[in-house]
Amino acid sequence: SAVISQKPSRDICQRGTSLTIQCQVDSQVTMMFWYRQQPGQSLTLIATANQGSEATYESGFVIDKFPISRPNLTFSTLTVSNMSPEDSSIYLCSVLGTGGAGIEAFFGQGTRLTVV
Amino acid sequence: AQSVTQPDIHITVSEGASLELRCNYSYGATPYLFWYVQSPGQGLQLLLKYFSGDTLVQGIKGFEAEFKRSQSSFNLRKPSVHWSDAAEYFCAVGAGTALIFGKGTTLSVSS
Repeated sequence: SAVISQKPSRDICQRGTSLTIQCQVDSQVTMMFWYRQQPGQSLTLIATANQGSEATYESGFVIDKFPISRPNLTFSTLTVSNMSPEDSSIYLCSVLGTGGAGIEAFFGQGTRLTVV
Repeated sequence: AQSVTQPDIHITVSEGASLELRCNYSYGATPYLFWYVQSPGQGLQLLLKYFSGDTLVQGIKGFEAEFKRSQSSFNLRKPSVHWSDAAEYFCAVGAGTALIFGKGTTLSVSS
């Protein structure tokens, strides 16, 4: 299993500013994933962060808006840049690990972002 | 393309009644399938998962799901719903990479 700590748990930010979200895992993992969950919606994958290489972004997400760092095998950050109210969402960090039989996805508690 | 469809956006069930939440997937290889539950203001909790073997899998809180390859389905069931089961339920598919989530089904429980 994997335990993920995500900070901050919530924040209220002014439009035009940036927020960096931290994700710490209690074990070394190759891939870390960042998701966005807009109000009342499902989870959408933003990007996959591999240590030692640039993150891979999904369609609709760009590095200038969501820069990601992955300095080591247990840590990653996601920055939400030049925020607008449309960025108000829950942002979740996730990793894959072994849970019981086979692979399981583990999630942080999320960062609830409100942009005003 | 890989995708997950949850046809029912919102379901209301009487307390004590049975429940079935539908999930259909499109995946090029043998998928790993998951059901997660999210209570209001809470994080995601894994209910159950399927990788291989017995197509009927048991999960926590009395939930079970059945994998039907011929129908590309992985429906979630519970024989008797409790008021505390009211939540958002997500079906997800993956195979060693990031999961792909369905849009979710909101379950309401009436007394």
